[in-house]
Amino acid sequence: SQQGEEDPQALSIQEGENATMNCSYKTSINNLQWYRQNSGRGLVHLILIRSNEREKHSGRLRVTLDTSKKSSSLLITASRAADTASYFCAPTNNAGNMLTFGGGTRLMVKP
Amino acid sequence: SQTIHQWPATLVQPVGSPLSLECTVEGTSNPNLYWYRQAAGRGLQLLFYSVGIGQISSEVPQNLSASRPQDRQFILSSKKLLLSDSGFYLCAWSLGTAGQPQHFGDGTRLSIL
Repeated sequence: SQQGEEDPQALSIQEGENATMNCSYKTSINNLQWYRQNSGRGLVHLILIRSNEREKHSGRLRVTLDTSKKSSSLLITASRAADTASYFCAPTNNAGNMLTFGGGTRLMVKP
Repeated sequence: SQTIHQWPATLVQPVGSPLSLECTVEGTSNPNLYWYRQAAGRGLQLLFYSVGIGQISSEVPQNLSASRPQDRQFILSSKKLLLSDSGFYLCAWSLGTAGQPQHFGDGTRLSIL
């Protein structure tokens, strides 16, 4: 497994603004997954983008993947206070099911 | 639908005491199972994973052990807890094929006094 590194470590925005978080990784991948963690809770799987996809949407979430730069971004549009959470990326390859998580991006959306 | 249960939600234990955390999955068969630990404000550290009954792989040498006595039951144990074992413990499951999303329980907050 390989670890994704999220950037920035922390992000504070006003409700209604867009939030962009980035993820970088080092080796080739099969897919890349994004997760959200509310304080004191388990992680929740948000979206999976395959290595042959460049962009994927799910509601207010937009994920892009640039395999040439080994990077991904997660965009949350029209943010809400309920989006306040930590966000983690997890790049995966065909070697197995182990996911390795970085430190995440802590997003705070102020009402 | 599949569900994952983890208990207890919080636990306060003295140094040197034993530990048993339990995780069960419902609604799926032969899942991969995982135990993670998360320090405050940090990422997750994979402790153990299992691809089948009695099959346990350890990622990090430590004071803990894991067992899988039944297909959908995963137990994290320790004979003698250390202060450094404090943290947030998360159990997760996934389907058996590579690259599948993982589904997490709500975690156990373990404090060692």
